Amino acid sequence: AQSVSQHNHHVILSEAASLELGCNYSYGGTVNLFWYVQYPGQHLQLLLKYFSGDPLVKGIKGFEAEFIKSKFSFNLRKPSVQWSDTAEYFCAVIIFKAAGNKLTFGGGTRVLVKP
Amino acid sequence: SAVISQKPSRDICQRGTSLTIQCQVDSQVTMMFWYRQQPGQSLTLIATANQGSEATYESGFVIDKFPISRPNLTFSTLTVSNMSPEDSSIYLCSVEQGNWETQYFGPGTRLLVL
Repeated sequence: AQSVSQHNHHVILSEAASLELGCNYSYGGTVNLFWYVQYPGQHLQLLLKYFSGDPLVKGIKGFEAEFIKSKFSFNLRKPSVQWSDTAEYFCAVIIFKAAGNKLTFGGGTRVLVKP
Repeated sequence: SAVISQKPSRDICQRGTSLTIQCQVDSQVTMMFWYRQQPGQSLTLIATANQGSEATYESGFVIDKFPISRPNLTFSTLTVSNMSPEDSSIYLCSVEQGNWETQYFGPGTRLLVL
């Protein structure tokens, strides 16, 4: 079965530190890739997405992600985090199949940024 | 983009009862989805609801437990039937606008079953 894996369940870091969250998926066909963020008490918001072109994509709030096809990875990065980046981050993949496309989520990573 | 609203935003229910959650979108969409987010966990797809056809359920979810209606291109309902405490979750409605480039999510319905 296709799956999406996020390596870290919890990350704690200080303001101004750099953040990298890992995401791997297991599917060899065509995919669209996403990172969503869920701030405390709020609903899911799209951070960034990739479906073709430059594998380095930039999203909102200074986030970026790099698609490495050979590694089936789509890691999220931010050079310098702020306290307001405290949230849960979800990697998600749309897998294109004849039986129907489906958006599948990773397990999520809770990020706590200490002021 | 699509703006999605859900009702109710939260509810506390007794076991054995049923709750119907409504999802309203501000534009016509072909595909609507229902997800569940159990406490401390990620989102799991319950079913895909296309207007004019029966909903397609994912493994582990059945129509008798989670009946879905999709009467038009802007509205859907999900019913959680014969509830038990294990059904306590956030239920989210989601839409895709036709090109699989972005999927939008509603604010969710937070359900607690006692």
